[in-house]
Amino acid sequence: QMQLVQSGPEVKKPGTSVKVSCKASGFMFSSSSIQWVRQTRGQRLEWIGWIVVGNDNTHYAQKFHQRVTITRDMSTSTAYMELSSLESEDTAVYYCAAGVRFDPWGPGTLVTVAS
Amino acid sequence: QAVVTQEPSLTVSPGGTVTLTCGSSTGAVTSGHYPYWFQQKPGQVPRTLIYDTSNKHSLTPARFSGSLHGDKAALTLSGAQPEDEADYYCLLSYSGGRVFGGGTKLTVL
Repeated sequence: QMQLVQSGPEVKKPGTSVKVSCKASGFMFSSSSIQWVRQTRGQRLEWIGWIVVGNDNTHYAQKFHQRVTITRDMSTSTAYMELSSLESEDTAVYYCAAGVRFDPWGPGTLVTVAS
Repeated sequence: QAVVTQEPSLTVSPGGTVTLTCGSSTGAVTSGHYPYWFQQKPGQVPRTLIYDTSNKHSLTPARFSGSLHGDKAALTLSGAQPEDEADYYCLLSYSGGRVFGGGTKLTVL
């Protein structure tokens, strides 16, 4: 079945970067897109950006534009989201989701930013 | 960046009907915003209910429907069940990207 598996929880210090992975299986990764969404402790969802896997086109939310990079490795059917210059406000669960229908979602990766 | 607004909370009686709405600070919500609706229960991952205004995910119960209602997107739940108690988020697409609403906490009581 269609599935996304994400990397494990991370604890990072302010000012550093984090890279979260999202490995796809059960569908044609090369013809899909991967969305990235985060959910902060206040429960609000925020759209971060997405990548069209086939042509490597990316689109980022204005809020994250200067700090986020979304990439993919077609050889391993894995997408990555790297967020730099981390602040405590970046503490959140980071989700990937497949396609324009956001289906399926990955299980989420908790990123904690603390000194 | 646009601001997407939802009712913070709503209550519906079991078997009743409720409409959740999704507005945009830029003006009327249209099909060109490709409205999405997601459901999230405590401790669970969000799941897609509706995409492109009114298209249902294959697992979306028939009692949920999406539409445009006035100048907003709307999610209507007809015949609420206890298991529909959850947070509901809308998502709108703009030229600059996508923006989630703040979510509506739906209580079935």
